[in-house]
Amino acid sequence: LAKTTQPISMDSYEGQEVNITCSHNNIATNDYITWYQQFPSQGPRFIIQGYKTKVTNEVASLFIPADRKSSTLSLPRVSLSDTAVYYCLVGDLSGNTPLVFGKGTRLSVIA
Amino acid sequence: NAGVTQTPKFQVLKTGQSMTLQCAQDMNHNSMYWYRQDPGMGLRLIYYSASEGTTDKGEVPNGYNVSRLNKREFSLRLESAAPSQTSVYFCASSEFRGTNSGNTIYFGEGSWLTVV
Repeated sequence: LAKTTQPISMDSYEGQEVNITCSHNNIATNDYITWYQQFPSQGPRFIIQGYKTKVTNEVASLFIPADRKSSTLSLPRVSLSDTAVYYCLVGDLSGNTPLVFGKGTRLSVIA
Repeated sequence: NAGVTQTPKFQVLKTGQSMTLQCAQDMNHNSMYWYRQDPGMGLRLIYYSASEGTTDKGEVPNGYNVSRLNKREFSLRLESAAPSQTSVYFCASSEFRGTNSGNTIYFGEGSWLTVV
């Protein structure tokens, strides 16, 4: 299973763009990159998923360089409600090999 | 839609007692998982089931057993609870729907277990 490394914590002011980078040097050819968000006392919820280049949805963007050894989750114009823990996961999507969560990045948004 | 439902939500056990956490999903997913999350920590995989009839150990399986009763249900059993098993337990399910649709894990609301 590909191991991921993320910053333990980040602080940001409201309205700023936040970029959280995840390192996954031993990513395999069939692996996808998925990001989850977790609020206190809740289960994680899916944010975005990608394989290469750039993926964008209504919540975030995911940037993946050509070598795929890292990825960056970009949250535009964060608000206080974006304060949460963000997890980067790497793995194939077959379901036969489970996705393993690391410690995540604790994002604190300040007014 | 209910999604992933787990019970009980809260439980206090005495050391040595046994209990079973129940989990059911109504999304017809093949894969199901049990994670635990200690305070301030990330999620650690206890057991998973890639499909009905199969189960495999995750990162921290010791002290737990699981049963994939059918496609919908995946239970987690603590045979002899220990204080070190005090944690929040999350059940989850997922389904691979092709490379264009990806694979999203859906989580239950969590079960808070305290062993005294």
